[in-house]
Amino acid sequence: DSGVTQTPKHLITATGQRVTLRCSPRSGDLSVYWYQQSLDQGLQFLIHYYNGEERAKGNILERFSAQQFPDLHSELNLSSLELGDSALYFCASSGRGYTFGSGTRLTVV
Amino acid sequence: AQTVTQSQPEMSVQEAETVTLSCTYDTSESDYYLFWYKQPPSRQMILVIRQEAYKQQNATENRFSVNFQKAAKSFSLKISDSQLGDAAMYFCAYRRMTSGGTYKYIFGTGTRLKVLA
Repeated sequence: DSGVTQTPKHLITATGQRVTLRCSPRSGDLSVYWYQQSLDQGLQFLIHYYNGEERAKGNILERFSAQQFPDLHSELNLSSLELGDSALYFCASSGRGYTFGSGTRLTVV
Repeated sequence: AQTVTQSQPEMSVQEAETVTLSCTYDTSESDYYLFWYKQPPSRQMILVIRQEAYKQQNATENRFSVNFQKAAKSFSLKISDSQLGDAAMYFCAYRRMTSGGTYKYIFGTGTRLKVLA
């Protein structure tokens, strides 16, 4: 157990729908980073939150949004889903190095 | 802008042999960290090894070691006595502190390592 918790582990939904992915960082970590990894691809940085504030944005679509709550858990909201949004979504918190959650596998059908 | 390049999309190694995965990076910073992450078929991202740029000594973690050449901006990963469980995608990553006091990470595109029995 890495200490970073992501839920759900798997999600299957239809095109046009909206989903919310959740991440709880390791105890004591203030940062949450979100990444998207499509099949056999590298990691695409989406967004970084630190202690509730957005700190950096990567290649995040306008249909996607995120927030970090006072208890430091973060949610990634994906709306108007398309087939191409099917991917593994990781969150990570940062200490000595990134600690990744186990990811949420999103399948859009 | 910082970049991380892994020029080997795929590598193969015979079980018990040694393999080296290459990574080069570009930065004008002097203070940064470098990492190797492993992603096995389970897709979990696992930290393998890390290197502080200010340390000249190469990091070692059991069968995993790095060859850090700061002037050449090279950070290769050597896996000795390769095991079937080492088969995975390996990502090289660079990290620096931002002016806002948080970390910025940049990942390479990965090298898929196959271990042959």
